Amino acid sequence: KAGVTQTPRYLIKTRGQQVTLSCSPISGHRSVSWYQQTPGQGLQFLFEYFSETQRNKGNFPGRFSGRQFSNSRSEMNVSTLELGDSALYLCASSSGLAGPQETQYFGPGTRLLVL
Amino acid sequence: ILNVEQSPQSLHVQEGDSTNFTCSFPSSNFYALHWYRWETAKSPEALFVMTLNGDEKKKGRISATLNTKEGYSYLYIKGSQPEDSATYLCAFFNSGYALNFGKGTSLLVTP
Repeated sequence: KAGVTQTPRYLIKTRGQQVTLSCSPISGHRSVSWYQQTPGQGLQFLFEYFSETQRNKGNFPGRFSGRQFSNSRSEMNVSTLELGDSALYLCASSSGLAGPQETQYFGPGTRLLVL
Repeated sequence: ILNVEQSPQSLHVQEGDSTNFTCSFPSSNFYALHWYRWETAKSPEALFVMTLNGDEKKKGRISATLNTKEGYSYLYIKGSQPEDSATYLCAFFNSGYALNFGKGTSLLVTP
């Protein structure tokens, strides 16, 4: 079974631009969660989508948004980029049906550098 | 925001040493605790999911225990090997379908 894939793997943008990151979950998984990791910080939860609906959102500004398509692929968009948005962005997939004890499977991440 | 604390922040041991790390989490409204191993340039890999007080899980030389009443979990590695070098993350599952991660313990095992 193919794992979680993320594209692109690396990205360089300048302040003020916007960026879209993509995540393809494991086949059959309907839940996709997004996390941000910045230096010195743990993984911070951005949002979770299940069957095209956002079920939960972390404490991030409205510049961060996402969506999920009918094939469960998910995109994350960051508008008006700031230097502090430079980070590793990870997505994770699961069936979304088994609750707290369900393992989330992570992709390799997209490393975003904002100049 | 639910705070998950991990200690120590980093650890350097010799091959063959046994070691352990601590994860502290809120003891109220407990749902589940997840442990992940994250090697450099790879994806975080799930180790254990723990749900019941007193749970003990084992995978090869790695084991974990859970105390939900006092809000902590221990991860043990017996006879550390260089390939165990990684960052070990714990994550507390809250009611909103989200994992709240600690900052991790970075383990370096040298031959």
